[in-house]
Amino acid sequence: DAGITQSPRHKVTETGTPVTLRCHQTENHRYMYWYRQDPGHGLRLIHYSYGVKDTDKGEVSDGYSVSRSKTEDFLLTLESATSSQTSVYFCAISETTPGYEQYFGPGTRLTVT
Amino acid sequence: AQRVTQPEKLLSVFKGAPVELKCNYSYSGSPELFWYVQYSRQRLQLLLRHISRESIKGFTADLNKGETSFHLKKPFAQEEDSAMYYCALSVWSGGSNYKLTFGKGTLLTVNP
Repeated sequence: DAGITQSPRHKVTETGTPVTLRCHQTENHRYMYWYRQDPGHGLRLIHYSYGVKDTDKGEVSDGYSVSRSKTEDFLLTLESATSSQTSVYFCAISETTPGYEQYFGPGTRLTVT
Repeated sequence: AQRVTQPEKLLSVFKGAPVELKCNYSYSGSPELFWYVQYSRQRLQLLLRHISRESIKGFTADLNKGETSFHLKKPFAQEEDSAMYYCALSVWSGGSNYKLTFGKGTLLTVNP
């Protein structure tokens, strides 16, 4: 597996609380992505980054923010978690685009009660 | 707008039977297409990409621009092929940046 880790791997939180998920890579890849995976919806892009401090929105960015202050770390923050954000979150990295492989992290299972 | 459609949520076949997982796309640009696979309790991984024209684990996929399809095929399914399969399209997102648009996935079950 490519050097991608996600933390925490599992989290249960209450509605209205802030949550931050961390993605860490050791591959020095330029691009990093956050997806959520839900039954019946597949994978949907939340935000992505094409360099330090360079980020852009994906198709389901409402309620989420991201930050990338270092090449190796990409943080996803739920400012005020809602039950609709219960999901499995995947981080991915790629060296360049297009046509290049994205490598995925192991995922974080988030439950908002 | 770009879209990837996988019409089958579930597909069940018997071991040794041929399998075809369908993928159709809509995109105004030049398509770059991929198949990703997720085995139970594992992370997603690339299975194959159309530009490399390779065969991985016996799977092949041909890009048909006329039919805007990128179906995944295997002549003889094995039980270890049971997994969730995602078709993905690389879409230009401005400048030199691209992002993947995924289909909703097809869960393949290969029965003994």
